[in-house]
Amino acid sequence: NAGVTQTPKFRVLKTGQSMTLLCAQDMNHEYMYWYRQDPGMGLRLIHYSVGEGTTAKGEVPDGYNVSRLKKQNFLLGLESAAPSQTSVYFCASSYLTYEQYFGPGTRLTVT
Amino acid sequence: RKEVEQDPGPFNVPEGATVAFNCTYSNSASQSFFWYRQDCRKEPKLLMSVYSSGNEDGRFTAQLNRASQYISLLIRDSKLSDSATYLCVVNRDDKIIFGKGTRLHILP
Repeated sequence: NAGVTQTPKFRVLKTGQSMTLLCAQDMNHEYMYWYRQDPGMGLRLIHYSVGEGTTAKGEVPDGYNVSRLKKQNFLLGLESAAPSQTSVYFCASSYLTYEQYFGPGTRLTVT
Repeated sequence: RKEVEQDPGPFNVPEGATVAFNCTYSNSASQSFFWYRQDCRKEPKLLMSVYSSGNEDGRFTAQLNRASQYISLLIRDSKLSDSATYLCVVNRDDKIIFGKGTRLHILP
C-alpha cells in the first residue's frame, strides 16, 4: 500500500519547455488535488478532481492543465514553463473532503 | 479578509513548555476542521481532526469555538520533535482551505 506517489521528485526545466507531473494513489479515493507551495504563501490549490473524468479549477490554475483519465491517476501539465512556476508541487487525495493524504512532493525549478 | 488566518510565528518555546495556536476562519458555513503538521521539506500530514466538543490525543488538545469562529491547538510538555509547521484546515462543501501555517521551534 504505497498511498500517494509522485513522479518525478525533482526536475529542472528551461523557460518554455513542457512537462507532466504524475500523481498516483492506491486508496480508491474519489477526490484528488494538485497544490503548489511557495515560501510565505502556504499551500495553494491549482486544480482538483472529484472523480474520474472530472476536473475543476482551484485558486491558481493559470499556466497549468490537468487530466483524470483513471481514478487512481491525476496528471498536472505545464505547457510552457515560466520561472514563476518554480515551486514545490504536492498532490493529495481524499475520501470526499475528509483527511487528505499527500504525496512526497515534486521540486521544480524553471530557469 | 482571508478565509483562514494563522499567526505565522515563529513560536520559539523551551522544551517541556505548553504552547497554543489559534486559527480563525471567516465563513460561518464552514463544516469541518483539521490540524495538519508539516516538517521541513516534507509533505503535510494530518495531526488531528477538530470536533465541536473538543478532542484530545495524548499531549495535543484541539478545540472549536463556532461562535467566535476559531479553532485552537494546545501542545503540552513540548518535545524537540514537535518542531514543525502546523497548518489549520477548514472544509466547506467541496472546498478545502489551508491556512499558511504557524512555525514552531522547540528549544533544548
